[in-house]
Amino acid sequence: DIQMTQSPSSVSASVGDRVTITCRASQGISSWLAWYQQKPGKAPKLLIYAASSLQSGVPSRFSGSGSGTDFTLTISSLQPEDFATYYCQQANSFPPLTFGGGTKVEIK
Amino acid sequence: EVQLVESGGGLVQPGRSLRLSCAASGFTFDDYAMHWVRQAPGKGLEWVSGISWNSGSIGYADSVKGRFTISRDNAKNSLYLQMNSLRAEDTALYYCAKALRERSLSEYFQHWGQGTLVTVSS
Repeated sequence: DIQMTQSPSSVSASVGDRVTITCRASQGISSWLAWYQQKPGKAPKLLIYAASSLQSGVPSRFSGSGSGTDFTLTISSLQPEDFATYYCQQANSFPPLTFGGGTKVEIK
Repeated sequence: EVQLVESGGGLVQPGRSLRLSCAASGFTFDDYAMHWVRQAPGKGLEWVSGISWNSGSIGYADSVKGRFTISRDNAKNSLYLQMNSLRAEDTALYYCAKALRERSLSEYFQHWGQGTLVTVSS
């Protein structure tokens, strides 16, 4: 199975900051990677798929990059509504489909 | 508008069974793979099982293989998860999720339901 490792597990940031979250796959997954945002008490929301494709309706301050084993989610200018937990997910190998452990973005 | 509505969760004793359902609307159900994803209280996301548009391909996480069975009824626009031999570690919020692209099983999750809570405890 492909393991997905996110770092950091949490980050404290201020509104307007640039935030970067990384995700590493235990083996190459090409560009088969998605990023999700989850707020407390809510279902996850798809932000990025295919490593860098922005899902419809998602603000352009979110961007994704990477291929192979190393991937990055960047929030260019953190907004109040962006405080949430973010997960990566690989879709290269089924079954299983696997998620990273999550990164909580907190208010500094 | 895509809607996924899960039901069937509840409190169940270890070793017993439960059947979850997911009612889908707002899209052509039989064009898309469907999945179950769970989240234990205060924990991260865990993919549980997925089924292709025509039920021809099915997969399970190792943690539920042999105990859980996924199925779908395209005539009823419904997805199911039969959970047998439940354990305390199966306690979680279970989400139904729709694949992003048509006819693709190894996929991203574009739409999610609100989840149904399963609690396994004596």
